[in-house]
Amino acid sequence: DSGVTQTPKHLITATGQRVTLRCSPRSGDLSVYWYQQSLDQGLQFLIQYYNGEERAKGNILERFSAQQFPDLHSELNLSSLELGDSALYFCASGGTVHNEQFFGPGTRLTVL
Amino acid sequence: ELKVEQNPLFLSMQEGKNYTIYCNYSTTSDRLYWYRQDPGKSLESLFVLLSNGAVKQEGRLMASLDTKARLSTLHITAAVHDLSATYFCAVDMEYGNKLVFGAGTILRVKS
Repeated sequence: DSGVTQTPKHLITATGQRVTLRCSPRSGDLSVYWYQQSLDQGLQFLIQYYNGEERAKGNILERFSAQQFPDLHSELNLSSLELGDSALYFCASGGTVHNEQFFGPGTRLTVL
Repeated sequence: ELKVEQNPLFLSMQEGKNYTIYCNYSTTSDRLYWYRQDPGKSLESLFVLLSNGAVKQEGRLMASLDTKARLSTLHITAAVHDLSATYFCAVDMEYGNKLVFGAGTILRVKS
């Protein structure tokens, strides 16, 4: 158990809908990273937040957004969902010591 | 753009045999990470390699880093079935920020 929690574990929704994925980092970690894992794209970095501020952005679509709250939990919002958005979404925290990142259990999103 | 390449992408091994997974990357970095992922599960951190010549060992797995060659290896000694998983290497592209992952190596250890 990495200490990173994510909810929900599974999410099934329809095209065009909007969903919110939630992540709580390990105690003491200020950074939260979001990654998407799919069969065709592999593991892709989406976005990083550090202590409430956006720190780095990767291959994140404009339909996706994220934020980190004062209690350091983070939410990833995915809107106007398409079939191709079906994937495992991981949150990681850490980055403090040698940028080692600890991954949560993931949210499996299925868009029908 | 940083690229991370792993090979092989699929490895079927007999129990008791040795093998090596290779991870090449395209730009200068002195931080490399190895993760393990079981099917449908999360990524588990295995090794953090921080400098040229770094070597880390845990059980039957040993990882090394050659920053001049931009190459890391994950060596498996006397494989056992429990090592069956997907192994990823990842490179730190910008300090404290994103990790760029290789495609992963699916390891199957057959008894």
